Amino acid sequence: QVQLQESGPGLVKPSETLSLTCTVSGFSISNGYCWGWIRQPPGKGLEWIATIDRDGSTCYNPSLESRLTMSVDTSKNQFFLNLRSVTATDTAVYYCARVPHDVVRGVIKLYYIDFWGQGNPVTVSS
Amino acid sequence: QSALTQPASVSGSPGQSITISCTGSSTDVGSYNLVSWYQQHPGKVPKLIIYEDSKRPSGVSTRLSGSKSGNTASLTISGLQAEDEADYYCCSYGGSSNMIFGGGTKLTVL
Repeated sequence: QVQLQESGPGLVKPSETLSLTCTVSGFSISNGYCWGWIRQPPGKGLEWIATIDRDGSTCYNPSLESRLTMSVDTSKNQFFLNLRSVTATDTAVYYCARVPHDVVRGVIKLYYIDFWGQGNPVTVSS
Repeated sequence: QSALTQPASVSGSPGQSITISCTGSSTDVGSYNLVSWYQQHPGKVPKLIIYEDSKRPSGVSTRLSGSKSGNTASLTISGLQAEDEADYYCCSYGGSSNMIFGGGTKLTVL
């Protein structure tokens, strides 16, 4: 069974960088799929942040792209999120996830989210 | 890209059927057979219940079904049960390697 576990700080200061790690077990990232991040502010809906594949090809939410970096370490079966210059509006539960996909004419087509981590609550506050 | 539009809330009595709509555009919902639906109980992780417009993952109740017409997708839950009370989110591939979620719908079983 595929399992994902987020790790990272629960509190980040405004203007600093939020860094999260997702560790995958029960499936090797090298075997395919895209791997991504979704967040949910308190009492609000879900927002797709970004995905990455085993080769490091990334897809970013245009509204966050200027502050985002995703990376992957297949040897450790982990992938990572860096979100720079955070503000209070970045306060949310951050989920990592597996995303089935296809590549059509060089464009990554994201299908759906089939496995989710338990979520890492992050508060941005001084 | 704009969020997909869902009603904020729907309700129904046990045994009844309800439908949640998810309206997008010709560049997302209407262009791809890639609408998915997620069920989230309070304090829990979202769960995939419908993918590729109308397919059900193994283990998901047959009372849940998905459909689509034009730029609007729908989730129908028949034979409502107390355990169906939850938040429901639609999601679509939005082109250009993006995913777009709906704002979510709170289902209340009366």
